Amino acid sequence: KQEVTQIPAALSVPEGENLVLNCSFTDSAIYNLQWFRQDPGKGLTSLLLIQSSQREQTSGRLNASLDKSSGRSTLYIAASQPGDSATYLCAAMANQAGTALIFGKGTTLSVSS
Amino acid sequence: GAVVSQHPSWVICKSGTSVKIECRSLDFQATTMFWYRQFPKQSLMLMATSNEGSKATYEQGVEKDKFLINHASLTLSTLTVTSAHPEDSSFYICSAPRDRATEAFFGQGTRLTVV
Repeated sequence: KQEVTQIPAALSVPEGENLVLNCSFTDSAIYNLQWFRQDPGKGLTSLLLIQSSQREQTSGRLNASLDKSSGRSTLYIAASQPGDSATYLCAAMANQAGTALIFGKGTTLSVSS
Repeated sequence: GAVVSQHPSWVICKSGTSVKIECRSLDFQATTMFWYRQFPKQSLMLMATSNEGSKATYEQGVEKDKFLINHASLTLSTLTVTSAHPEDSSFYICSAPRDRATEAFFGQGTRLTVV
């Protein structure tokens, strides 16, 4: 059974720092991996989607990498801003398109000004 | 814009009443939709898979008689929490894949509070 783990559970950094959020999954046979942002009491905002055949995806200050063989993904946030404060979730889709996602518990990020 | 719409975004109900949550795919047909639940400070957990024209499949530990799922059309799935109790208070969110596309699209979520 796929399990997704995220570390750290919480992270506090001053504005401007570069940071890395980690995600690991137990079953390397994934179809894709997706990173989401969730603000308190809100729904999910999709940030980046990495297909199993890809190594990384970039969007603005965000860069996500995927290493299927080691069961790891990282989300790199450059030049963090207070507006980046939120919970970041990674989720793996099993090795078939259109199946449900398995979520990690998330990393709650706080960026101070 | 949103491709999956969920309604209501929040609801407060009395213990013992039933609450219906709707999930609509806006510009595509979804033969499958997923329902997740998120308790405070926990991650999203899959509750059930909604299948158009057939019975939903429930994850282990989810009571199918309490959480009724109806997927009567290719654009609408509903989740009814029957005889709600305070322990059912949670954040419920639906998801639908578009044409078996790989990206999962989520509704806005529903915050249910049972008093």
